[in-house]
Amino acid sequence: DIQMTQSPSTLSASIGDRVIISCRASQSVSSWLAWYQQKPNKAPKLLIYKTSTLQSGVPSRFRGSGSGTFFSLTINNLQPDDFATYYCQQYATYRTFGQGTKVEV
Amino acid sequence: QVQLQESGPGLVKPSETLSLTCTVSGGSVTSNKHYWSWIRQPPGKGLEWIGYISYTGSTNYNPSLKSRVTMSLDTSKNHFSLNLYSVTAADTAMYYCARDQAQFDPWGQGTLVTVSS
Repeated sequence: DIQMTQSPSTLSASIGDRVIISCRASQSVSSWLAWYQQKPNKAPKLLIYKTSTLQSGVPSRFRGSGSGTFFSLTINNLQPDDFATYYCQQYATYRTFGQGTKVEV
Repeated sequence: QVQLQESGPGLVKPSETLSLTCTVSGGSVTSNKHYWSWIRQPPGKGLEWIGYISYTGSTNYNPSLKSRVTMSLDTSKNHFSLNLYSVTAADTAMYYCARDQAQFDPWGQGTLVTVSS
């Protein structure tokens, strides 16, 4: 099984900050990686797929990068609506999520 | 656009079977060769993929749950279903259905299932 490890687990940030969340795979997943945003009591929302392709309607301040086993999600100019939990997900073999990163004030 | 809605009992007794249905609107479960997944999230914890069913009815399950899971497709009702057998308290979670294009989008709103006697 491919394990996904995110860091940090919790991140404190302020409006206007640049935030970087890391996601490491236990083996190569090529570019088959997605990112989601989840707010309390809501279903996750797809932000990025295939490592760096922005889902329609997602603001351009979200950026994904990486390949193989190391990936990152960057949020530029953090906005109030961005405080949430973020998950990475690989789909190279089955589907596996990271444990999540909570972005808080 | 495609929307998904989960339905089923909110309370299941230990050792019994958890059965949920996901109704698809705004599109057909067999259109565009889509796949359909179930994902769960225990209270306060992360996301776990349970498995998917394809537009042809073929399935692929998370190896950790494979022995207890079956999924099915009902094209006449435009829905797909999940059965999870021999449940325990560890199966208490929010259960989501989602369209699976390898990445998941869209998602249903989720349904909370509690396993308790």
